[in-house]
Amino acid sequence: IVLTQSPGILSLSPGERATLSCRASQSVSSRYLAWYQQKPGQAPRLLIYGASNRATGIPDRFSASGSGTDFTLTVSRLEPEDFAVYYCQQYDSSPYSFGQGTKLEIK
Amino acid sequence: EVQLVESGGVVVQPGGSLTLSCAASGFNFDVYNMHWVRQAPGKGLEWVSHIRWDGGSTDYADSVKGRFTISRDNRENSLYLQMSSLRREDSALYYCAKAAWGGDLDHWGQGTLVTVSS
Repeated sequence: IVLTQSPGILSLSPGERATLSCRASQSVSSRYLAWYQQKPGQAPRLLIYGASNRATGIPDRFSASGSGTDFTLTVSRLEPEDFAVYYCQQYDSSPYSFGQGTKLEIK
Repeated sequence: EVQLVESGGVVVQPGGSLTLSCAASGFNFDVYNMHWVRQAPGKGLEWVSHIRWDGGSTDYADSVKGRFTISRDNRENSLYLQMSSLRREDSALYYCAKAAWGGDLDHWGQGTLVTVSS
């Protein structure tokens, strides 16, 4: 399953709303779609699992939804610490592919 | 506190072999599936391999199939990745990651760097 994320780069200002997309080449069970955040020099961190469930400690400004082949991650009001790279991953079927990432940068 | 500490990354020549290790602590290692994920410099994440909690099932990315072998020692709380016939494109930071019950990767190590170069 190929995951295609868009846009590749998203330039926004703190306080704005960010919407990131992840499209799968074939249907993915929503139980098996995750989003990760990665900051420079750090390991990825789990944000969302099961397409819409926030991981432990993730603030509620992060939300996600989707089913089938289209999934979305939304950050309602960007904080300075949210500027990072975001990856979606499917773990429905092997190989457990990642999207290529969306870089969320400060405008 | 869950901790995953990778080691074994070095500079190795093309065609060479290497074994990476991941020491796990802070959770019951022997009941969780584990993964290796890699990231080439300046690139995105690439899933590499998975092993079931009991070692009874493994999966590999096509790019490493036949060259890499994942294994685990539940008595030692350790995960391994044996790498052979290494290619320049295998150069990357290799992360060990724990899978949650649902399959998502809920904890990651800090990675160990493998450089394939002559």
